[in-house]
Amino acid sequence: AQSVTQPDIHITVSEGASLELRCNYSYGATPYLFWYVQSPGQGLQLLLKYFSGDTLVQGIKGFEAEFKRSQSSFNLRKPSVHWSDAAEYFCAVGAQSGGYQKVTFGIGTKLQVIP
Amino acid sequence: GAGVSQSPRYKVAKRGQDVALRCDPISGHVSLFWYQQALGQGPEFLTYFQNEAQLDKSGLPSDRFFAERPEGSVSTLKIQRTQQEDSAVYLCASSGLARYEQYFGPGTRLTVT
Repeated sequence: AQSVTQPDIHITVSEGASLELRCNYSYGATPYLFWYVQSPGQGLQLLLKYFSGDTLVQGIKGFEAEFKRSQSSFNLRKPSVHWSDAAEYFCAVGAQSGGYQKVTFGIGTKLQVIP
Repeated sequence: GAGVSQSPRYKVAKRGQDVALRCDPISGHVSLFWYQQALGQGPEFLTYFQNEAQLDKSGLPSDRFFAERPEGSVSTLKIQRTQQEDSAVYLCASSGLARYEQYFGPGTRLTVT
């Protein structure tokens, strides 16, 4: 079975600073990888996904993530954080199971942005 | 078109009551998922529908949890005899047959007192 580890439960960064959120996954085959963002009281919004091809993936809101198979990682990055980026971020891995995606989420990283 | 909608957004139930949570997926999406998100946790898979067929219910925590999607569109998650440990946000997601990403609704926050 697949699993996801997000080692940082809470991260605080200054507005304008760069950001990297860590994600490690465990899956026996080529994974489908996702980053979702959840604002308070909201559902999850997909930031970006990796299925195959280029290992550097661009997403919405200026986010990008890099798939590193050798490290089983899919870290999320943003060069300059805005106050509106404060939210909770979930890394997820999907596995094909009987014709559909069974997605397993990490515990989440809560991002705080300070002025 | 409209995204995934869920109702009610908030539900308070006394222990032992039955509750029903509704999900309206994106029109035309054949796949529908239910997740449970406990406080401070990531969403955990409950069950999956392809059209009206429930193909995977391996994540349902007990036989008090029941889900249906009788006409292949709207889905209802029912919890019988609610317990305090059922308090969580219940998220619904849908996806199209040929696509892999899931689109999430805003969730229903269930509080069992």
